[in-house]
Order: sequence, then structure tokens, then C-alpha cells
Amino acid sequence: EIVLTQSPATLSSSPGERATLSCRASQSVSSHLVWYQQKPGQAPRLLIYGASNGATGTPARFSGSGSGSDFTLTISSLEPEDSAVYYCQQRCDWPITFGQGTRLEIK
Amino acid sequence: EVQLVESGGGLVLPGGSLRLSCAASGFTFNSHWMSWVRQAPGKGLEWVASIKQDGSGQYYVDSVKGRFTISRDNAKNSLFLQMTSLRAEDTAIYYCARDRLQGRADDYWGQGTLVTVSA
Repeated sequence: EIVLTQSPATLSSSPGERATLSCRASQSVSSHLVWYQQKPGQAPRLLIYGASNGATGTPARFSGSGSGSDFTLTISSLEPEDSAVYYCQQRCDWPITFGQGTRLEIK
Repeated sequence: EVQLVESGGGLVLPGGSLRLSCAASGFTFNSHWMSWVRQAPGKGLEWVASIKQDGSGQYYVDSVKGRFTISRDNAKNSLFLQMTSLRAEDTAIYYCARDRLQGRADDYWGQGTLVTVSA
């Protein structure tokens, strides 16, 4: 099973700042890495697929990068509505696995 | 508009069974892989099972193999999860999710149905 480790567990930043979230895989997942955003009481929302491709409706301030085993989700200029938990997911091999999540708090 | 609506959750005794349903609309159901993903209270996301477009292939997380069965009825645009031998650790919100047409990401999710396993 491919284990995904996200860091940091919690990130607290201010509006307008840049946020960098990390996801590391226990083995290569090529570019088959996905990022989701989940707000309290809501279902997850697809943000990025294929490591760096923005899903329909994803704001331009969100970008993904990386390949192999190290990936990054960057939010270039934080908005208050970006407060959420962000999960990475690997779609390289079965079983599909998720990281434990990074909670992003906007001060 | 794509919609996924789960139903069938509830309170069940340990060792009991439950069948979850997901009604899909607004897209060509038989063109997409479909999955179930769960989230225990206050915890992260856990993939449970996925099924191929025609139902010919199913995949499961180890913890549910032999107890859960994913299936679909393409004529009725419906996805199912038959859960047996339920345990307290199966308590979670269960989400139905649609795979992208090109695969490898879940682009639409339902709002979830809560399953509580408790005596």
C-alpha cells in the first residue's frame, strides 16, 4: 500500500499570504496525484488532478506541482474562503489511498 | 447538472447489515467508474471500493474485503454498497463519488449518508 504523508498537519496564515502544502508518497506515484478541498459539513471538492491540472472551477490561485513521490499544493494569495482541510490522494495503484490531511486556517 | 444522492444509512447493531444506494443523474452513468469513500467522525478520508463502468471489475480496501460488496445498475443509474458483518470501526459518513471520464480523480461527490454501528 502506498502511504501518503502530508505536512504540515495544520497551517495558519493570513489573507494575501502564500501557502505551501506538501504531500510525500512512500513510493513513486508518477503524476497520479490528486488534491481535494473539504470544508466543514461538506463533501470533498476536486481541486487538482494529475499532480498539476486544475479541475473545472478551481480558482487560478491554486496550483499543483511535483512528480514521483514529492508533491506540492500552492495557494498563491490566500482568501478567507480557503479555510479548509486539504487532502492528497494517489491514483497510481490499488488500494487508492489518501493523506491524513492538512488543516489550513486563515487568521 | 450532475447529482449524486446517497441513501440507506442509519443505526445498525454490530454484526448487522446495511445496503447503501447512490442515485446518479445529469450524466452518462455507464461511462464512469464509481467509488465509495468514507469518513469516520472527525477523521480523514478513506477510500472503500470502486467499480468499473460495466461492473466487471471491483476493488476494495483490505479492511472491508469479504464483508462489503460494491455493485451498480446502469439501467437505473444507481450505485450500491452492500455492507455485512458491520463493526464499530465502520461508523462513518459514506460518500458516493464519480470518477472523471479520463479517470484517476473523483470529480463529483454526493453529500454522504451516515452509518452508525453501535449497540
